[in-house]
Amino acid sequence: GAVVSQHPSRVICKSGTSVKIECRSLDFQATTMFWYRQFPKQSLMLMATSNEGSKATYEQGVEKDKFLINHASLTLSTLTVTSAHPEDSSFYICSASRGRGGELFFGEGSRLTVL
Amino acid sequence: AQSVAQPEDQVNVAEGNPLTVKCTYSVSGNPYLFWYVQYPNRGLQFLLKYITGDNLVKGSYGFEAEFNKSQTSFHLKKPSALVSDSALYFCAVRDMLAAGGFKTIFGAGTRLFVKA
Repeated sequence: GAVVSQHPSRVICKSGTSVKIECRSLDFQATTMFWYRQFPKQSLMLMATSNEGSKATYEQGVEKDKFLINHASLTLSTLTVTSAHPEDSSFYICSASRGRGGELFFGEGSRLTVL
Repeated sequence: AQSVAQPEDQVNVAEGNPLTVKCTYSVSGNPYLFWYVQYPNRGLQFLLKYITGDNLVKGSYGFEAEFNKSQTSFHLKKPSALVSDSALYFCAVRDMLAAGGFKTIFGAGTRLFVKA
């Protein structure tokens, strides 16, 4: 199967700082990547759809200025949590699809803890 | 809008027994249905999918799922459970958007616990 790499797997930061999470498709080109947030013992909440070469599409209720998404190439999308606060602490997961009808390939997730 | 429902928060089964994790869906048009598994502190892994064709779909790790159009269900099954199958399982549906893109909608998840 396809491989999606996500980095870092864990990050601890101080309140007010910014954190960048990278998502790379290692063996295929992903024109579309998805960013999810998962709270403990809950399902995945789609935050935004990242499109290569264009602006991300954010889901309702997700702050665009808070969660900056950049999809600079066909293999890399980044999520930057700006001015992080403790309530931003969560598990963030990226995924990519090789086609419209295909399955998603997920990164290993990034656990963010904001102190 | 497309949606999936997983009615059980947790399923308990003894090792060696068959297991079923339930999923029902609500879609307009032909459904694209998926099952994923998540181990603790990890991303999700694809198990199987139904797009068209045979109603019984076989996937990874011995899992299979049956698409039932009349009951709008897509239950995940395995004939003989292993302790290592213990994980969180998500049913999902592909939502095709008017603009040409798509997004995947996940169910709430069902935690499977297999006891030795």
